[in-house]
Amino acid sequence: DTGVSQDPRHKITKRGQNVTFRCDPISEHNRLYWYRQTLGQGPEFLTYFQNEAQLEKSRLLSDRFSAERPKGSFSTLEIQRTEQGDSAMYLCASSPPDRSEAFFGQGTRLTVV
Amino acid sequence: KQEVTQIPAALSVPEGENLVLNCSFTDSAIYNLQWFRQDPGKGLTSLLLIQSSQREQTSGRLNASLDKSSGRSTLYIAASQPGDSATYLCAVRTGANNLFFGTGTRLTVIP
Repeated sequence: DTGVSQDPRHKITKRGQNVTFRCDPISEHNRLYWYRQTLGQGPEFLTYFQNEAQLEKSRLLSDRFSAERPKGSFSTLEIQRTEQGDSAMYLCASSPPDRSEAFFGQGTRLTVV
Repeated sequence: KQEVTQIPAALSVPEGENLVLNCSFTDSAIYNLQWFRQDPGKGLTSLLLIQSSQREQTSGRLNASLDKSSGRSTLYIAASQPGDSATYLCAVRTGANNLFFGTGTRLTVIP
């Protein structure tokens, strides 16, 4: 296992289109997080899963955003009707059950044109 | 709401110099603090994790300290190398299941 994997690494989309990102956490990590990072800023929390349950969502996660983790393994983040303000790096992280250390993936860079 | 501040925002040092990066947070009720490294356009690499009950952690040339009562942490890098050039982020975990990040310190080590 080489760590948290995110796909795609880069996505360019036209405004108004829907996009979906995938995150594969480290095996046996039951906790999964999504963050968003804009240029020059630190990552901001979006949502958190423990196994398949979505336990926490940030106010940043508008109704155009939805995240799932149907089988408690990989997760998807979908953005509907993308806007230029959605352009950012979307980061996924996972943590094991017995430790709160977060391990991040390489991120998906979204550009909305 | 927890606020995390990192000073300085950018730092340039000659190769071989020792340096200290600073992180402060407003709410001392944290679960742990984590330092990360981020290369341009990349994800975050975990460097050190300090639990709230700990005072410091060391890994190779890196040493991180935590003073929870004063809301401060430092990351000490010894004998800096050009390969250390990156943005360094600190993040605190509160009782909730998310991390609050600072905006980072962009480090450049000049050969």
